[in-house]
Amino acid sequence: EAGVAQSPRYKIIEKRQSVAFWCNPISGHATLYWYQQILGQGPKLLIQFQNNGVVDDSQLPKDRFSAERLKGVDSTLKIQPAKLEDSAVYLCASSLVGGRLRGNIQYFGAGTRLSVL
Amino acid sequence: AQTVTQSQPEMSVQEAETVTLSCTYDTSESDYYLFWYKQPPSRQMILVIRQEAYKQQNATENRFSVNFQKAAKSFSLKISDSQLGDAAMYFCAYRRVDAGNMLTFGGGTRLMVKP
Repeated sequence: EAGVAQSPRYKIIEKRQSVAFWCNPISGHATLYWYQQILGQGPKLLIQFQNNGVVDDSQLPKDRFSAERLKGVDSTLKIQPAKLEDSAVYLCASSLVGGRLRGNIQYFGAGTRLSVL
Repeated sequence: AQTVTQSQPEMSVQEAETVTLSCTYDTSESDYYLFWYKQPPSRQMILVIRQEAYKQQNATENRFSVNFQKAAKSFSLKISDSQLGDAAMYFCAYRRVDAGNMLTFGGGTRLMVKP
């Protein structure tokens, strides 16, 4: 079974530039998550999709971050314009469903490491 | 809001020995899940073990086991017969049962394994 795919693996940009990350979840997984992991910290949820609808985006800095999940499969996370403090690893995860289902496990991709200079 | 605390930034263990990583959490919920994830240098988070709060029995997965103390809100991970491949960052995570599956992570513990 193919895992969660993310690209690119690395990205270096200058502040105020734009950047986009792509995620392809495990086939059949309805729920998709984007996490931000700053160096030396645990991941923090930015946004959660259930199919192509947003479940939780309370921690997404909406003035500069946006995300979409067209057709309920692939997802793109965009930062525009980037700031120095956005330097982090951006992890995508997927799970079969969301909500109450016991045993529902999140599977993670390898992430994109973003460096903002 | 739930918080997860890992008080050991780094731990070291000799190959074939046993090591315990600590995790405490804060919640007012009675039903929830707890997880330990491993993050090697490849960055991919890998699920090591999970515990459901309503189960009193501690979870075990081969060389990995947990000590779940619900009253103390403590969830430690024990790795037996440590191997070089166990070297990684380990994250403790919490999830409410009635939430949208959102995970709250601790700050992580870096485990080094000495040959």
